[in-house]
Amino acid sequence: GAGVSQSPSNKVTEKGKDVELRCDPISGHTALYWYRQSLGQGLEFLIYFQGNSAPDKSGLPSDRFSAERTGGSVSTLTIQRTQQEDSAVYLCASRRGLGTEAFFGQGTRLTVV
Amino acid sequence: AQRVTQPEKLLSVFKGAPVELKCNYSYSGSPELFWYVQYSRQRLQLLLRHISRESIKGFTADLNKGETSFHLKKPFAQEEDSAMYYCALTGSNYKLTFGKGTLLTVNP
Repeated sequence: GAGVSQSPSNKVTEKGKDVELRCDPISGHTALYWYRQSLGQGLEFLIYFQGNSAPDKSGLPSDRFSAERTGGSVSTLTIQRTQQEDSAVYLCASRRGLGTEAFFGQGTRLTVV
Repeated sequence: AQRVTQPEKLLSVFKGAPVELKCNYSYSGSPELFWYVQYSRQRLQLLLRHISRESIKGFTADLNKGETSFHLKKPFAQEEDSAMYYCALTGSNYKLTFGKGTLLTVNP
């Protein structure tokens, strides 16, 4: 596809379960970002990957959150032992380089019950 | 550290009125600033960036390094401008930091 694709679109999970969110960036985009969007909190930076450099994990809220990017392409955000406060929309974005436009996916709406 | 501040969570104007969405930033080097917009039920998308100095949908934004601001302006608001607006910053690394956003409502 031409755009950033995220799956699933919606995920309802029970408190304490692990979830995996997937992001397929635009081909050739070296930078990939994960954000959490919730009411009143705007776009909270979680992590970004750039080429072969070590990812910047400074935004991950706890050690329950982790992410990986395989082969410089697809990325997976994993949340272990989910809590109700993890409920939010998780957005992925990718871009070609510095100063270029970041393209966003449609997001995954996570609901922890 | 890089930080983006959007002081207004909500902004409401009438159609035809001027609108200004404020954005202030904190960054020690030379930043690149962007405005992104999210219309209802749509993806977040780029509205404009300071390096291109362009006007998109009648919106403009000027980078003021002295005041560390990048306010978004439009002289005559339209109802279709109602959306969530985010200011964003990139520094010399690839980190892309967003403000908390301003929800603009343009009333008929």
